[in-house]
Amino acid sequence: ETGVTQTPRHLVMGMTNKKSLKCEQHLGHNAMYWYKQSAKKPLELMFVYNFKEQTENNSVPSRFSPECPNSSHLFLHLHTLQPEDSALYLCASSQEPTGWAGADTQYFGPGTRLTVL
Amino acid sequence: KNEVEQSPQNLTAQEGEFITINCSYSVGISALHWLQQHPGGGIVSLFMLSSGKKKHGRLIATINIQEKHSSLHITASHPRDSAVYICAVSGGSQGNLIFGKGTKLSVKP
Repeated sequence: ETGVTQTPRHLVMGMTNKKSLKCEQHLGHNAMYWYKQSAKKPLELMFVYNFKEQTENNSVPSRFSPECPNSSHLFLHLHTLQPEDSALYLCASSQEPTGWAGADTQYFGPGTRLTVL
Repeated sequence: KNEVEQSPQNLTAQEGEFITINCSYSVGISALHWLQQHPGGGIVSLFMLSSGKKKHGRLIATINIQEKHSSLHITASHPRDSAVYICAVSGGSQGNLIFGKGTKLSVKP
């Protein structure tokens, strides 16, 4: 148990559906992240939020829309996805953003296994 | 070529063996991370280091900044150590974490 929860754990959706992934951290951290993990590929950073402000959008298609209403919650809204978007989506948090200013351990949630039909 | 390379990609060991997983990187970094991912997806941070060596139980991580290389060692390996081990570095052009592809370890009883 890392203190970061994600729901749902598994999601199957059609290409025309709209769904949302939820992440919640109980660690009092200031930074939250969305990652995508596809088979045979390294983890890919999608979005970074620092104190509820989006500081990074790593060239992610607009069919993925993040929302951070407060520093404990992070959502990823999904619409008109493609089959190639099927992957494990991981949320993480850290006390401060990981980067040049310093290195902070990131705590990961269990992930949402997404399948797009 | 990835900025973070791990070797081997797959590793099978017998219980009790000493295991080494290697990580090389090509960018300037502020720290290097070793992560463990079990089947099912959850990722746990094992180590964060910027110099020298760290030890936690049967796990040892070392880093050589000059050579841009890190190793993760597991002593007296056990089947419960079976997982994917991921190397990541804080740094690069944007300062975010950059991940290797992972090393899949399987320890047989």
